[in-house]
Amino acid sequence: GQQLNQSPQSMFIQEGEDVSMNCTSSSIFNTWLWYKQDPGEGPVLLIALYKAGELTSNGRLTAQFGITRKDSFLNISASIPSDVGIYFCAGPEGAQKLVFGQGTRLTINP
Amino acid sequence: NAGVTQTPKFQVLKTGQSMTLQCAQDMNHEYMSWYRQDPGMGLRLIHYSVGAGITDQGEVPNGYNVSRSTTEDFPLRLLSAAPSQTSVYFCASRPVATELNTEAFFGQGTRLTVV
Repeated sequence: GQQLNQSPQSMFIQEGEDVSMNCTSSSIFNTWLWYKQDPGEGPVLLIALYKAGELTSNGRLTAQFGITRKDSFLNISASIPSDVGIYFCAGPEGAQKLVFGQGTRLTINP
Repeated sequence: NAGVTQTPKFQVLKTGQSMTLQCAQDMNHEYMSWYRQDPGMGLRLIHYSVGAGITDQGEVPNGYNVSRSTTEDFPLRLLSAAPSQTSVYFCASRPVATELNTEAFFGQGTRLTVV
């Protein structure tokens, strides 16, 4: 099956800093998804990307669908304490399966 | 709005015991799935269902059974729990299973410990 590799695996930043993380795959994806998991909760969809080269924003979050269709990037600007959590990239393997990356754990020092 | 509801939230089992993790959704979604989350491994698909009466295996199905008798419910059964099944389990649903309709709605998870 397809595999998604996220980096970095963890980040420790100061409040107010910008954050960048990425996700690469071993094969082409037609859709890229970014989820966030708050501590003790299930993941929630942040951004969905459907077209190569697409750049989409959701508040302070910006995600891009890589031109090669094998990667995607998520940026968070001016981080705040509630940004803490685990960020997952995901993509469909066929119509019936969603494949997830290992996650990037974000920790913010106030 | 309830969305996806999982019960119980926490469970401790002894090796060899059986149990059923419950999952219910009230959004009339056709597609339901179970994932397990382990440190450093992200979310791995256990089983999924594209509609009532239809189930299939995901990436890590061994040791788990599922059934889908109604659209709303998708229980996950552990017939003989093993320590390797200690994990956090998430149920998720989607309206339909297509490559474009990919937003999955997750429950809050069940934290299972097998001793």
